[in-house]
Amino acid sequence: GAGVSQSPSNKVTEKGKDVELRCDPISGHTALYWYRQSLGQGLEFLIYFQGNSAPDKSGLPSDRFSAERTGGSVSTLTIQRTQQEDSAVYLCASSLAQGTQETQYFGPGTRLLVL
Amino acid sequence: AQSVTQPDIHITVSEGASLELRCNYSYGATPYLFWYVQSPGQGLQLLLKYFSGDTLVQGIKGFEAEFKRSQSSFNLRKPSVHWSDAAEYFCAVGSRGSYIPTFGRGTSLIVHP
Repeated sequence: GAGVSQSPSNKVTEKGKDVELRCDPISGHTALYWYRQSLGQGLEFLIYFQGNSAPDKSGLPSDRFSAERTGGSVSTLTIQRTQQEDSAVYLCASSLAQGTQETQYFGPGTRLLVL
Repeated sequence: AQSVTQPDIHITVSEGASLELRCNYSYGATPYLFWYVQSPGQGLQLLLKYFSGDTLVQGIKGFEAEFKRSQSSFNLRKPSVHWSDAAEYFCAVGSRGSYIPTFGRGTSLIVHP
C-alpha cells in the first residue's frame, strides 16, 4: 500500500497489561511521528523519529511509554502496565524528511480501550 | 512557544451554505500554517498549507484559507459545503527549525441536508 498503515485497528486490553502498537510508514519517509488523540482533544505529540533515532521524546507522558524504530521503517509504540487514562486513538504519521515544512501523512490510527 | 486556538468546538451548516472555520495562532516569527481534515475512523489528511508568499492559499476539495498576520489568523473557507465535508478539522502551526507542529483541538463540522 502507498499510505501509512497501523495495526491493530482496535485494541481492548485490561488495566495493567502491556500493549504494542505498530506503524508502517510510507516507504522512503525518514521522519516518523506518534501522536495521541483523546476524546474531544487535539493531537498530543508523543515522540518523533528521524531514521532510527528519536531526537525528541519530550511528549511521552510517563516511563510506561516507549517506542522504537528499526531499519528506518517500522515503528512500535509500547505501553506497559496500561491505565484507563491511556484509552485514546494513537496516530502515526510519516514525512519524507524532518521539519514542519514537510507534509505529514497520517495512518488511520489504533483505537485503544483499557478496561 | 507556538500555540494555536480553534475557538469553535462545533459548527453546524446547511448543505450548500458557505463555511468559515476559525484558527488563531501565537508565534513570534512567520509561522508555517496547516489545515487538516479527519473523517470518522480515518487519519488526518492535509487540506492546505501556508509557508510564505500569497496569503490566500488554495487547497484540495475546494477549500481555501487566508493568512492574516495582523489578526494572527488562518481561517478556512469553502463557498458551498457538501454533506461529505462533515468531519473534524484541525489547524496546526509550525516554524522553521522545529520538527513538531502544534495542533489545535479541532472543530467538528456538522452538515444538515
